[in-house]
Amino acid sequence: DGGITQSPKYLFRKEGQNVTLSCEQNLNHDAMYWYRQDPGQGLRLIYYSQIVNDFQKGDIAEGYSVSREKKESFPLTVTSAQKNPTAFYLCASSPKDRGTVETQYFGPGTRLLVL
Amino acid sequence: GNSVTQMEGPVTLSEEAFLTINCTYTATGYPSLFWYVQYPGEGLQLLLKATKADDKGSNKGFEATYRKETTSFHLEKGSVQVSDSAVYFCALFVGGSQGNLIFGKGTKLSVKP
Repeated sequence: DGGITQSPKYLFRKEGQNVTLSCEQNLNHDAMYWYRQDPGQGLRLIYYSQIVNDFQKGDIAEGYSVSREKKESFPLTVTSAQKNPTAFYLCASSPKDRGTVETQYFGPGTRLLVL
Repeated sequence: GNSVTQMEGPVTLSEEAFLTINCTYTATGYPSLFWYVQYPGEGLQLLLKATKADDKGSNKGFEATYRKETTSFHLEKGSVQVSDSAVYFCALFVGGSQGNLIFGKGTKLSVKP
């Protein structure tokens, strides 16, 4: 079955620690995205990548970093510079074919908690 | 700029009641419009979409019509079920090199038996 997987489901971070959230897709999609969701808020875009080895900052990129070395993988690192990292993190992907609507498909999410 | 405004929740209904969740948008250009649903503890699932004015998206008994004249995309269902309890997000997409989904804040729906 094709889809998007995120791991782990729950992640705990200590003060001053960097943590990395995994996102893998086997949909052969070109574009991938990371969103942050806080209670009562919509989704806010952290980073996105439209092609391998290229990525762009979204609305709230400070304190986060990403890489896109492979088409199917787009890991997100939450650095110690992110002062309020507790949130639900959602990864998404979409095809970029000409003439199609950019529908995004989401993974199940990772909940990050600070100890 | 581009933005989406949804009615604030939570919305609580009895089973078999009629549902409307309002969504209006502001956009430059001609956006595509989406409704996503998020069940507790899960990621978002695409519920329905519409790509141009007067299009109607439908899925699982839910419907929404793209109204350009009122810049709206209200979600409706004639008879809700307990299993419809979730958070519903309206979103728009305007194409371009940096086009991305713009989400509303979400509306929580609780359906009581």
